[in-house]
Amino acid sequence: DQQVKQNSPSLSVQEGRISILNCDYTNSMFDYFLWYKKYPAEGPTFLISISSIKDKNEDGRFTVFLNKSAKHLSLHIVPSQPGDSAVYFCAASAYRGSRLTFGEGTQLTVNP
Amino acid sequence: DAGVIQSPRHEVTEMGQEVTLRCKPISGHDYLFWYRQTMMRGLELLIYFNNNVPIDDSGMPEDRFSAKMPNASFSTLKIQPSEPRDSAVYFCASSLIKRRANYGYTFGSGTRLTVV
Repeated sequence: DQQVKQNSPSLSVQEGRISILNCDYTNSMFDYFLWYKKYPAEGPTFLISISSIKDKNEDGRFTVFLNKSAKHLSLHIVPSQPGDSAVYFCAASAYRGSRLTFGEGTQLTVNP
Repeated sequence: DAGVIQSPRHEVTEMGQEVTLRCKPISGHDYLFWYRQTMMRGLELLIYFNNNVPIDDSGMPEDRFSAKMPNASFSTLKIQPSEPRDSAVYFCASSLIKRRANYGYTFGSGTRLTVV
């Protein structure tokens, strides 16, 4: 039972353009969402998060949007840079929960 | 702070052998998680500890897997006997969670396990 799902295993964009990574979840108890980035041979690192009381959170080139009614969130990277090429994991947790449930990941490739 | 330290970085073993993965969490963190990364399921939670006590091991695939946390600075994940389908990257992560103020999971660099 995959409660957090990233349906696109890979995404390829041109440098300077927008990258949009999508994530869907099924558990209505989830109220905190995060994105992690992972480079090869390294552990995932925290990128950006959003609470369910918000529908948007921005940090520099990265913006996360949350649509609670659709149980969908997305990560926008503008402008995309070659250094953004990595696997991006969506994650979610429930109220006061300590555990994160991760999606399958999306491999982003930004071409120069 | 050296971060979360995992050892070994790579492990190649023969089917049927015992494998032990090790993790040293960040000092002061009260949660420790073991995840396994696979193509099909992404980052899959195996087990997690709070203050050295196992809280949820429902993700452990089968009895061949076991995990311990004898103290706040060390945890092990053991597979006995190992099988080729156990081949994956295993991550350890630690976190300090207070009133959900910080979900700063810090991951180690992972152990790439290959069972032949």
